[in-house]
Amino acid sequence: DTAVSQTPKYLVTQMGNDKSIKCEQNLGHDTMYWYKQDSKKFLKIMFSYNNKELIINETVPNRFSPKSPDKAHLNLHINSLELGDSAVYFCASSRHRAAGVNEKLFFGSGTQLSVL
Amino acid sequence: AQRVTQPEKLLSVFKGAPVELKCNYSYSGSPELFWYVQYSRQRLQLLLRHISRESIKGFTADLNKGETSFHLKKPFAQEEDSAMYYCALSPYTGNQFYFGTGTSLTVIP
Repeated sequence: DTAVSQTPKYLVTQMGNDKSIKCEQNLGHDTMYWYKQDSKKFLKIMFSYNNKELIINETVPNRFSPKSPDKAHLNLHINSLELGDSAVYFCASSRHRAAGVNEKLFFGSGTQLSVL
Repeated sequence: AQRVTQPEKLLSVFKGAPVELKCNYSYSGSPELFWYVQYSRQRLQLLLRHISRESIKGFTADLNKGETSFHLKKPFAQEEDSAMYYCALSPYTGNQFYFGTGTSLTVIP
């Protein structure tokens, strides 16, 4: 069974469109994340939610809006897509909010977004 | 500020040779350090963490607080070790994970 699943796997769209990426985890974890991996393979955190509450909001354009309907889901909605948004977006989860000896991230397989 | 630095973007070694993937960090306090690996067509997964002092798939990593390094080592590289390796840091209390830019390891048969 897939622990952290995100859809779609590939997303090709035109500039200016609005799109969403969905993420679901069946691990019973409290905390979920969105990471962006750019063309240089650099992974950077975008958002983190703990029990539906936003706890990390890095410097991300407000065209990106995360939504967590429940603690098992964290969706990413992107308005007015730009060329620079092309990247691989990874969803992840961890059991609890506080990182520590028992924490590790479980990652989804990524969504490759290409903006034309 | 860049918290985790992996100076080598690409690293190639021959099968059976020792391999070391470098990772340096900058963080005041006591961070936790991790190595994550992404094999071809697989998802990113945890390889090892310093707190566990474990050896996974023959890899070890020692936290050197004096040099602020957490290099990943394996004495004899195998072809199946070819992958993208990310060093990551997390504050002991807190929720963030900071990743390095990754090192692509290729083991040449």
